[in-house]
This record gives sequence, C-alpha cells and structure tokens, in this order.
Amino acid sequence: KNQVEQSPQSLIILEGKNCTLQCNYTVSPFSNLRWYKQDTGRGPVSLTIMTFSENTKSNGRYTATLDADTKQSSLHITASQLSDSASYICVVSTDRGSTLGRLYFGRGTQLTVWP
Amino acid sequence: DAGVIQSPRHEVTEMGQEVTLRCKPISGHDYLFWYRQTMMRGLELLIYFNNNVPIDDSGMPEDRFSAKMPNASFSTLKIQPSEPRDSAVYFCASARPSRGNEKLFFGSGTQLSVL
Repeated sequence: KNQVEQSPQSLIILEGKNCTLQCNYTVSPFSNLRWYKQDTGRGPVSLTIMTFSENTKSNGRYTATLDADTKQSSLHITASQLSDSASYICVVSTDRGSTLGRLYFGRGTQLTVWP
Repeated sequence: DAGVIQSPRHEVTEMGQEVTLRCKPISGHDYLFWYRQTMMRGLELLIYFNNNVPIDDSGMPEDRFSAKMPNASFSTLKIQPSEPRDSAVYFCASARPSRGNEKLFFGSGTQLSVL
C-alpha cells in the first residue's frame, strides 16, 4: 500500500534553533518527492522537489535530503524564525509522465517556533 | 500574477443545502485540481482536469459531489445535498505542463462548515 508517514506529528522549538523533520514512504514506483509549507489558513506552498537522482536540495534555510534506497527524506530548517511556524507536508509521486494525479500526501508535521 | 483564486473563503450552510465552490486557476496552467483537507485524513485529491477535461474523479466521495470546468479560467465544485461530514477545507490547485516535476500552486482554500 502506498503510504507517506511523517514524524514527529508536532514540534516546538525556540527561535534561532535548527530542526529536522522526517518523511518515510512506501510509494512505488517512485518518481519524485516534494516538501510543502502550509501556513495557517493558507494553501500549501512548494519548498523543494527532488527526483530519484537527487540526494539533497536547498531553498534558503530549508534543506531537503532524499535516500531513495531506504525511502526516507528529511527537511532541515536552519536558524529557525517565527515565520517558519507552519505545517510541513511531504508528498510523493509515482508516475513519470504527468505526475500530479498520483501524489501521495503525508499528514504533515506542525512546527511551532517560539520567541 | 494573482495566483489561484478561490471563492468564497468561508461558507457556512445547513445540511441539505447546495454548496458551490469556485476556482480561477493561474493563466496558462493546463492542470486544475480539487483537494479536500481534514484533520483526520489530511489532503485528499477529489478530481483533476487537464485542458478542461476531467481525467480522474475517483476521489470524489459520492454522487453528491460534482465538478465542472467550462473553460480554462474557471472551475466549480458542487455539493448537493450537503452533509455535516462534508465540513472541511477545499483547495483548488493548478499547474502547467512539465516533464514530471510540475509544481502545484494552491489557492487559499474554502473553509466549508455544514451545520
């Protein structure tokens, strides 16, 4: 069964600290993995997209890693800011053509950054 | 670009009433998606269109749900009759053709409450 599991479910950190969010998946065949940030009351916004051949990808203070062998991904946030408080959603795609109809969503990690 | 525009932002209705959600995708995007988000189930794909044609509606929960895309700049999701279990946030998203790494752009969602 194609599934995407994220951990932890929620996380609280102090401003300026680093954190790492985890994503494990059983989706097969794998095409790409995406991380989205969803602010409260808003739609998800894409942070990174990684294909099978990519091990790491950065977007500012966000760095995503991918291990396709173990089917694990992580999202590392450096020097957290209050604006990083959001839900972070891991999404895995299976098709190699039009991938968007075959996306599997994790339930998200709710990150809260305290001053 | 104004992004994906959804209306209304909030909808409160009574059980049995008809509800119509509206979406304007980003100009030039050939794909349009309707998602539903709940605390219990996270984000779920309801239906998606390519060039105004419905491609996959297997996520539509039952016959009470219907979606149309009469032209490239407008889509509706209709629930008739509505039930309390339909209460959720409904997102519209659009994307343009790419080679497997299409980025989804989400609207801000419609918060639906069925009393």
